Amino acid sequence: GAGVSQTPSNKVTEKGKYVELRCDPISGHTALYWYRQSLGQGPEFLIYFQGTGAADDSGLPNDRFFAVRPEGSVSTLKIQRTERGDSAVYLCASSLLGQNTEAFFGQGTRLTVV
Amino acid sequence: AQKVTQAQTEISVVEKEDVTLDCVYETRDTTYYLFWYKQPPSGELVFLIRRNSFDEQNEISGRYSWNFQKSTSSFNFTITASQVVDSAVYFCALSEGETFGDGTTLTVKP
Repeated sequence: GAGVSQTPSNKVTEKGKYVELRCDPISGHTALYWYRQSLGQGPEFLIYFQGTGAADDSGLPNDRFFAVRPEGSVSTLKIQRTERGDSAVYLCASSLLGQNTEAFFGQGTRLTVV
Repeated sequence: AQKVTQAQTEISVVEKEDVTLDCVYETRDTTYYLFWYKQPPSGELVFLIRRNSFDEQNEISGRYSWNFQKSTSSFNFTITASQVVDSAVYFCALSEGETFGDGTTLTVKP
């Protein structure tokens, strides 16, 4: 596609359930980033992939959060045992050359944990 | 630790006014990058500019201009002759996009 695509656009889940959020980056972009954005705040960095490997996962808040990018393209953010505090918009971005270059963002997945 | 402060939570101006959005940052790195992003109501962040810490030259792009002052750790963004379509949340970010400010909501009224 022309831009970064994130699915689903909205996800409502019950506390304690498992969720997967998908990100399709721009074709050919080697770098992929996940962020979390709460209302009224800036994006909070979660993880950065360069190719298939997680180059920096220092932003993942705890071991309930995990992300993969097995073929260096599509990425999935996985959240286990969801908590109400996980409710936020999860943003994905990709860039052609990696960190410190122009990043293109998707429209995000709004996750609501009830 | 890195930190970005955007002290102005909300700004409201009338169309054609100039407006400056402030950004102050903290970092111990000697080499770093600064960014500005625009987030319109649709939610998708749009890249505006990237600046290397070694390049203190001010930059102008159409109605947009940026003033980088390393001495005061500031990277301010000015919109000249604002338009209604400039209404959005603007984020300043530091290095590798990892540290964002909390944004300034700009409303431009007709």
